[in-house]
Amino acid sequence: DAKTTQPTSMDCAEGRAANLPCNHSTISGNEYVYWYRQIHSQGPQYIIHGLKNNETNEMASLIITEDRKSSTLILPHATLRDTAVYYCIVRTNNAGNMLTFGGGTRLMVKP
Amino acid sequence: DTAVSQTPKYLVTQMGNDKSIKCEQNLGHDTMYWYKQDSKKFLKIMFSYNNKELIINETVPNRFSPKSPDKAHLNLHINSLELGDSAVYFCASSQEFRGEAFFGQGTRLTVV
Repeated sequence: DAKTTQPTSMDCAEGRAANLPCNHSTISGNEYVYWYRQIHSQGPQYIIHGLKNNETNEMASLIITEDRKSSTLILPHATLRDTAVYYCIVRTNNAGNMLTFGGGTRLMVKP
Repeated sequence: DTAVSQTPKYLVTQMGNDKSIKCEQNLGHDTMYWYKQDSKKFLKIMFSYNNKELIINETVPNRFSPKSPDKAHLNLHINSLELGDSAVYFCASSQEFRGEAFFGQGTRLTVV
């Protein structure tokens, strides 16, 4: 699976959009971009995934650049409960959930 | 109802002991997993299992073995525990190998 690079930490004001970037410059054509998050002392939680097109669900939006070398997870109206570590993972569908989570981005949502 | 549940939540044991962590999922998923999160917070896959296939991460010592009495359960057995086994262990499940994974709350294992 391709390697991903994320900022170590970010702050966001409550109610504002949180934009979390991820670089995956070595991504292959058949690799998907997945986002999970881990709230303190809990198990990871799936957020969203995509291949080429931008995706949106009830939790977030995923914007993938045209060359697919980077992506941005957007939480449109961050709340204090969104404070967590956010992981960007790239994998082929054949790899299933044999995932390795890297360092991720620690997002702190502040009042 | 908790979708993926693990027991115990905390486990403290001495070096050399054998212990098990239980995992149950009520989602009707056919694939289950065990992950290990070390002190640096990196989360790594240990096993993937469904009724057809066990996939083992090659870095996992053979002291670790998954046991699945039925489709809804995947227990983790650890023999001859070592200090380095101290970590948080997460169970997860998914519908088929490729579906989004649902994680349990974790079991914090401390070996003393």
